[in-house]
Amino acid sequence: GAVVSQHPSRVICKSGTSVKIECRSLDFQATTMFWYRQFPKQSLMLMATSNEGSKATYEQGVEKDKFLINHASLTLSTLTVTSAHPEDSSFYICSASDSGRSGTGELFFGEGSRLTVL
Amino acid sequence: AQSVTQLGSHVSVSEGALVLLRCNYSSSVPPYLFWYVQYPNQGLQLLLKYTTGATLVKGINGFEAEFKKSETSFHLTKPSAHMSDAAEYFCAVRLSGGSNYKLTFGKGTLLTVNP
Repeated sequence: GAVVSQHPSRVICKSGTSVKIECRSLDFQATTMFWYRQFPKQSLMLMATSNEGSKATYEQGVEKDKFLINHASLTLSTLTVTSAHPEDSSFYICSASDSGRSGTGELFFGEGSRLTVL
Repeated sequence: AQSVTQLGSHVSVSEGALVLLRCNYSSSVPPYLFWYVQYPNQGLQLLLKYTTGATLVKGINGFEAEFKKSETSFHLTKPSAHMSDAAEYFCAVRLSGGSNYKLTFGKGTLLTVNP
């Protein structure tokens, strides 16, 4: 299957700083990527849909100024958590759709990034 | 709109026993259905998917699932559990057709395998 890589896998930062998480599709082009947030022992919550070359579409209740998403190329989307606070600590997972490979639009997931805000 | 309900947040089986993880869905149009597995501190790995055609779908690691439209179910099974199957399992649904690849996930079922 296709490979999606996330970096960093773990990050610890001080409250008030900003953190950038990268999501790359390594062997395919992804016009659409999705960002999820997962709290401990809970399911994945879709935060936003990232479209290459256009603004991201945020889910209801997700602060777009807090979670900045940029999808500048067909293989890279970034999530920046701005002015991070302890309540932003979570596991963030990206996924990418390989629409060219399969009409079913199977999603391939990154390894996830664990953010801890002190 | 679509939704997924996974019955049982935690399932515990003995090694070698049958694994059955339940998933029911609701969808306004014919759905595409997926099962994913997540190991601690990792992303999601696709086990299997149903889109069209045969309703009994075979996936990786000996898992299979059957799409039952009349019951709106897509339960995941494995005849004989292995210790390495211990993980969190998520059922997901998305609308068929078009280019909307947005997945809706169930809350997950933690599978524990006892020796």
